Amino acid sequence: AQSVSQHNHHVILSEAASLELGCNYSYGGTVNLFWYVQYPGQHLQLLLKYFSGDPLVKGIKGFEAEFIKSKFSFNLRKPSVQWSDTAEYFCAVNTNAGKSTFGDGTTLTVKP
Amino acid sequence: DTAVSQTPKYLVTQMGNDKSIKCEQNLGHDTMYWYKQDSKKFLKIMFSYNNKELIINETVPNRFSPKSPDKAHLNLHINSLELGDSAVYFCASRGGNSPLHFGNGTRLTVT
Repeated sequence: AQSVSQHNHHVILSEAASLELGCNYSYGGTVNLFWYVQYPGQHLQLLLKYFSGDPLVKGIKGFEAEFIKSKFSFNLRKPSVQWSDTAEYFCAVNTNAGKSTFGDGTTLTVKP
Repeated sequence: DTAVSQTPKYLVTQMGNDKSIKCEQNLGHDTMYWYKQDSKKFLKIMFSYNNKELIINETVPNRFSPKSPDKAHLNLHINSLELGDSAVYFCASRGGNSPLHFGNGTRLTVT
């Protein structure tokens, strides 16, 4: 069965600090990878996705993620965070069977 | 235009009651889902329907029964509500292998 592991449960940063959130998945077949963001009190929204091609994908609001197949990883990065980035971040994997599996989420708190 | 809409937004009810949450999507997607997000923000899939056919049924108490009258609607009925059912329930839809589109969630509080 597929699984997604997010290593950081709660990350606290000051504004302008750099961010990297870890995500590893376990699945032997072809996967599509996603990062979603959930702002306080809101629903999940797509940040970025990887299907194929360039393993470095850019998303909205200055976020990017790198797919490293050999490490089964899809880490999320942002060079300089803002207070408005405070949110819950979820890594997710889609398999060919159409199932979406989410990591347990990482709470990011950015101090102004 | 709301792509995935679910009602109600808030639901407060007593233990033992039966309640339903409705979901509709206007994206033309074939697949719809119900997810449960607990107080720790963990997001777990409950059910998935593809063209009105149940394709994913995770380990969920049989008090929870999804119903899909057509591919644009997926409702969730819960019988004999328990305290542990308190959570935020998200409906989502997807076309093919695209990203999920989520509804705004229904915050269920069982007292």
